[in-house]
Amino acid sequence: NAGVTQTPKFRILKIGQSMTLQCTQDMNHNYMYWYRQDPGMGLKLIYYSVGAGITDKGEVPNGYNVSRSTTEDFPLRLELAAPSQTSVYFCASTSNWEAFFGQGTRLTVV
Amino acid sequence: GQQLNQSPQSMFIQEGEDVSMNCTSSSIFNTWLWYKQDPGEGPVLLIALYKAGELTSNGRLTAQFGITRKDSFLNISASIPSDVGIYFCAGQRHSGGGADGLTFGKGTHLIIQP
Repeated sequence: NAGVTQTPKFRILKIGQSMTLQCTQDMNHNYMYWYRQDPGMGLKLIYYSVGAGITDKGEVPNGYNVSRSTTEDFPLRLELAAPSQTSVYFCASTSNWEAFFGQGTRLTVV
Repeated sequence: GQQLNQSPQSMFIQEGEDVSMNCTSSSIFNTWLWYKQDPGEGPVLLIALYKAGELTSNGRLTAQFGITRKDSFLNISASIPSDVGIYFCAGQRHSGGGADGLTFGKGTHLIIQP
């Protein structure tokens, strides 16, 4: 039972670099989400998708892009990394109410 | 955006004590959820509440969905060391699938002193 898998677990980026955070789920869930978690804060929604080919902005989408070409995969792209994007990123998928989370990607931008 | 006010921010308790934390919102939610996050892990669902006024238990955990649908509380009885972690409340406005995601509180950090 893999559930939601995120890679990488850790990454250090230089300002201006780009990277893609990978997320895949094997539960055939339609809904997938990307959250970021800053120290002492709850999770804030970056982007979400209600199914393959459909994506929408969440609360804090600036500086990020997503795509959803398949039901399983929902990658998050940072084009020009900024220090404000230092955070822990969580991918999640849901069937009904329960959101299953990945283990997170800890990103530091220096 | 919507805000969930979760309190307290942190709790320092002795093993065996009962714990109570709550969440309030200015908006109505159709579903309230309580998650626990261990260090280095993603949040894991503890209890889901679907109906206003509903009281639900899961072992030593009890949670209630406020009658106004704007608040919820979580109680943990007889705390044990593995209860340490960050507890998040989360609300969902839409029924039938969670299309717009969950709104999270800022978390309650539970620390148990030996």
